[in-house]
Amino acid sequence: AQSVTQLGSHVSVSEGALVLLRCNYSSSVPPYLFWYVQYPNQGLQLLLKYTSAATLVKGINGFEAEFKKSETSFHLTKPSAHMSDAAEYFCAVSHQAGTALIFGKGTTLSVSS
Amino acid sequence: EAQVTQNPRYLITVTGKKLTVTCSQNMNHEYMSWYRQDPGLGLRQIYYSMNVEVTDKGDVPEGYKVSRKEKRNFPLILESPSPNQTSLYFCASSPSDRGPYNEQFFGPGTRLTVL
Repeated sequence: AQSVTQLGSHVSVSEGALVLLRCNYSSSVPPYLFWYVQYPNQGLQLLLKYTSAATLVKGINGFEAEFKKSETSFHLTKPSAHMSDAAEYFCAVSHQAGTALIFGKGTTLSVSS
Repeated sequence: EAQVTQNPRYLITVTGKKLTVTCSQNMNHEYMSWYRQDPGLGLRQIYYSMNVEVTDKGDVPEGYKVSRKEKRNFPLILESPSPNQTSLYFCASSPSDRGPYNEQFFGPGTRLTVL
């Protein structure tokens, strides 16, 4: 079975500060990992995905994530937060023969000026 | 414009009154799925479809039905809604029959309240 744990349901940062959203996964097979963002009153949008190629994955809006097999982690980072980054972020896991994305419970990012 | 559309966006109904939430995609995607989102629980899969006439249960299928008669449409049916089905519902589609391996495109969501 696969599962995802997102550490911290709420993260607050100042504008210009580093953003770090944590995600740990559990999977008995090689995982595919995703980060999605949900802006208020909108659907989910893919930020980035890892599918067994490069372990450092770059996504949209300046976000990136690093797959660390030894730590079973896929943390999302952005060097400098912007007010427009305020949203809810979801980490998700699947695998090549999977039939579903398994989502974490989400982390709400707040950005203050 | 490539998109997943859902209707209605907002719905308030009463216990036991059958309802259907429609989902349509214009990207010729094979895989489609329904999720519900509840505070503190993230998104949980209700049903999915790998292709036309092929559907299967996700993690929380109780109280829901789906059908896939056409590739573009994947309606979610609540035969007898109950208050515990009050939630935010998302439809998603993906370009191959290995849906979750690829990026999933999400609709804008349907907020359902069952009184």
